[in-house]
Amino acid sequence: NAGVTQTPKFRVLKTGQSMTLLCAQDMNHEYMYWYRQDPGMGLRLIHYSVGEGTTAKGEVPDGYNVSRLKKQNFLLGLESAAPSQTSVYFCASSYASPGVEYSDTQYFGPGTRLTVL
Amino acid sequence: AQRVTQPEKLLSVFKGAPVELKCNYSYSGSPELFWYVQYSRQRLQLLLRHISRESIKGFTADLNKGETSFHLKKPFAQEEDSAMYYCALRSGGGADGLTFGKGTHLIIQP
Repeated sequence: NAGVTQTPKFRVLKTGQSMTLLCAQDMNHEYMYWYRQDPGMGLRLIHYSVGEGTTAKGEVPDGYNVSRLKKQNFLLGLESAAPSQTSVYFCASSYASPGVEYSDTQYFGPGTRLTVL
Repeated sequence: AQRVTQPEKLLSVFKGAPVELKCNYSYSGSPELFWYVQYSRQRLQLLLRHISRESIKGFTADLNKGETSFHLKKPFAQEEDSAMYYCALRSGGGADGLTFGKGTHLIIQP
């Protein structure tokens, strides 16, 4: 079990370039999340998904788009990168079933460090 | 809007001393509180959930609704406890994401 994996681990972009971050989980979780973490800050929720084909906005969604075409994958896209999007991006997943022990636990990926010049 | 405050960026204690990492929250409803930990070169992972009322690695945390706090405590610190600790809040059941504090870097000195 790889758990939650993120691709790539590092990336440097120029302002205006686009890219997609991939998150994959092999735990059959229904819920998936994208967070960003800036220096000295806690993680902030960008977007999340409650299941295949559905997404919703979090606290800081502007400048990002997401897609969940397959249950195991959650993609985060930057259409036109800006220096303000320089951050570490974390993906997480969790179960949906309230009756499942630890269903409220989020499992995190290792993070993607993105720099926008 | 909900908020989680961890007042200490850095906390340094000696091995064997008691540890208390503070967490205060603001939320109008009934929150679910968590402590997540990130050890060096490892990913963020769950340490404690308030709903479980359990002790993990010697750590405990009690939800105090009157003081809106969820402080993390351990009576005798160990060197392997050195890590970043994040307090987090979930506002409701289901798919709600977590609201995190800024984190406290705990250093246990030998």
